[in-house]
Amino acid sequence: GQNIDQPTEMTATEGAIVQINCTYQTSGFNGLFWYQQHAGEAPTFLSYNVLDGLEEKGRFSSFLSRSKGYSYLLLKELQMKDSASYLCAVRDGDYKLSFGAGTTVTVRA
Amino acid sequence: IAGITQAPTSQILAAGRRMTLRCTQDMRHNAMYWYRQDLGLGLRLIHYSNTAGTTGKGEVPDGYSVSRANTDDFPLTLASAVPSQTSVYFCASSDGGAADTQYFGPGTRLTVL
Repeated sequence: GQNIDQPTEMTATEGAIVQINCTYQTSGFNGLFWYQQHAGEAPTFLSYNVLDGLEEKGRFSSFLSRSKGYSYLLLKELQMKDSASYLCAVRDGDYKLSFGAGTTVTVRA
Repeated sequence: IAGITQAPTSQILAAGRRMTLRCTQDMRHNAMYWYRQDLGLGLRLIHYSNTAGTTGKGEVPDGYSVSRANTDDFPLTLASAVPSQTSVYFCASSDGGAADTQYFGPGTRLTVL
């Protein structure tokens, strides 16, 4: 099977920056996704990386290093509404998406 | 409003009963997926369909079946529910673009007693 690891929980202060790391070992690689999931809701798409480097989208950025099997999601200028679970997902050689267990981020005032 | 709908929102079911979870999308996406989400385990793929008329098995297919008679609908059936199938079930579809991003429905919370 696939192996995708990310921290279980992180806490940060409003206005701060938080970096969520994700490491993976998969059979083949065809892209890495980050999703945001608020409690009791569906996952919503945040970002997609298929080449090495940084992708920036407003307050959120995602980085990928394929040689290291590593990605991170950077959340800047944290807001209370950013309190959610963040899911790292890797598309493998069979084009199937495998998800990490998710990182719960709590933003405190 | 375009998107994916699922029904029911939640259900409590006696073990041994048959149950079908419904999923409909109006985005004309070819590919559709069923996942279950359990605490600490993340989303796991149950079954998928790359296009109408075809289906495939995911990581945890046992005890579940699917059909894809048309583009819009992708029902998931539990033939004889067991307590270990208590979970939140998400249906998703993908847009087939360069990223082939998956978009998720609101989920069905199923409890099997």
